[in-house]
Amino acid sequence: AQKITQTQPGMFVQEKEAVTLDCTYDTSDPSYGLFWYKQPSSGEMIFLIYQGSYDQQNATEGRYSLNFQKARKSANLVISASQLGDSAMYFCAMGINAGGTSYGKLTFGQGTILTVHP
Amino acid sequence: EPEVTQTPSHQVTQMGQEVILRCVPISNHLYFYWYRQILGQKVEFLVSFYNNEISEKSEIFDDQFSVERPDGSNFTLKIRSTKLEDSAMYFCASSEIRYGANVLTFGAGSRLTVL
Repeated sequence: AQKITQTQPGMFVQEKEAVTLDCTYDTSDPSYGLFWYKQPSSGEMIFLIYQGSYDQQNATEGRYSLNFQKARKSANLVISASQLGDSAMYFCAMGINAGGTSYGKLTFGQGTILTVHP
Repeated sequence: EPEVTQTPSHQVTQMGQEVILRCVPISNHLYFYWYRQILGQKVEFLVSFYNNEISEKSEIFDDQFSVERPDGSNFTLKIRSTKLEDSAMYFCASSEIRYGANVLTFGAGSRLTVL
């Protein structure tokens, strides 16, 4: 079974500062993917970034980067130069490469609410 | 930006009633999913659907639940006889291969309240 843990229920950051949202995971499968989603108050979940378990380099996508430490089983999201519009719930999720749906069945963490202060 | 659309955004129903939640996935996506989030709890996988059949389902997805792609564009989740514990936000998603993985695009959700 897979497990995702996000230990920060809420985080605060000043506008233009960087912030790190923590995520640890547990799985015995060697092939897996880690995803971060943003859920603003409007409700939809927006894909931010993906890291595969065999990827050698940390993923980056604009202001988002994923600090992937495989030995520690952590996949922290780093948001640089925070903006007011970054205020939202952030979910870390994991999928296993098990044939058919290949990562489509995601296991989610509890989420972290990020508040960006002006 | 293509999006997944869900209707209704909010539905209130009486216990024991049938409910159908509707979704229009992104047109060139091949995999479809339903997830749910009970208030204050984690987002949970319900079912995945590919090539007009269920490819995987969770323990939550019992005989009370069914999915259908009736007309090639809509993707529906039916709950036959709702229970109080079915009250949740239900998210539809569809996916495409990006970065070598199925990357899901979620809809805004349908909030179901069972009284």
